[in-house]
Amino acid sequence: KQEVTQIPAALSVPEGENLVLNCSFTDSAIYNLQWFRQDPGKGLTSLLLIQSSQREQTSGRLNASLDKSSGRSTLYIAASQPGDSATYLCAATGNQFYFGTGTSLTVIP
Amino acid sequence: DAGITQSPRHKVTETGTPVTLRCHQTENHRYMYWYRQDPGHGLRLIHYSYGVKDTDKGEVSDGYSVSRSKTEDFLLTLESATSSQTSVYFCAIKRDSRDTGELFFGEGSRLTVL
Repeated sequence: KQEVTQIPAALSVPEGENLVLNCSFTDSAIYNLQWFRQDPGKGLTSLLLIQSSQREQTSGRLNASLDKSSGRSTLYIAASQPGDSATYLCAATGNQFYFGTGTSLTVIP
Repeated sequence: DAGITQSPRHKVTETGTPVTLRCHQTENHRYMYWYRQDPGHGLRLIHYSYGVKDTDKGEVSDGYSVSRSKTEDFLLTLESATSSQTSVYFCAIKRDSRDTGELFFGEGSRLTVL
């Protein structure tokens, strides 16, 4: 069964800092890797989807990369803002969607 | 916005009572999912559907049933609610007709079983 791990579970950074969130998966036979954001009491918002044939995707200040051979994906957030504070989850897509437990990010003004 | 509406958004019920949660989509996607989210466990798949009247179990399906009589609606039923089913329930749709696709979530239904 696919196992998805996100380390660290929590991260605090000062405003303006660039940061990287990590996502590891055990089975490289994935279709996609998807990153989500979840605000407290809310649903998951899709941020970026990387298809297995791609290496990265960019949206604004966000850049996600995928290395299937090493079983890793990273989400890079440039020039962090307090509004980026949320929990970030990754999901590896095989026959089903397999989720990590997320990294809780706090950006301190 | 993927046009997903969950109802009710909040519900408090007593042990042993039946509960039905509804997920409604406006975009006519084939695949729909029910997840529960609990601290320490993350998101776990309960049931999913790949078409009208076509459903299958996920990893935590015991105590839950589902129905899909119309493309736009996917119902999750707890026949006899237990305190262990206190959770936040999320409906999701996969926006693509192929096996690969992007997942979109509703806002969640918070269920408390006393």
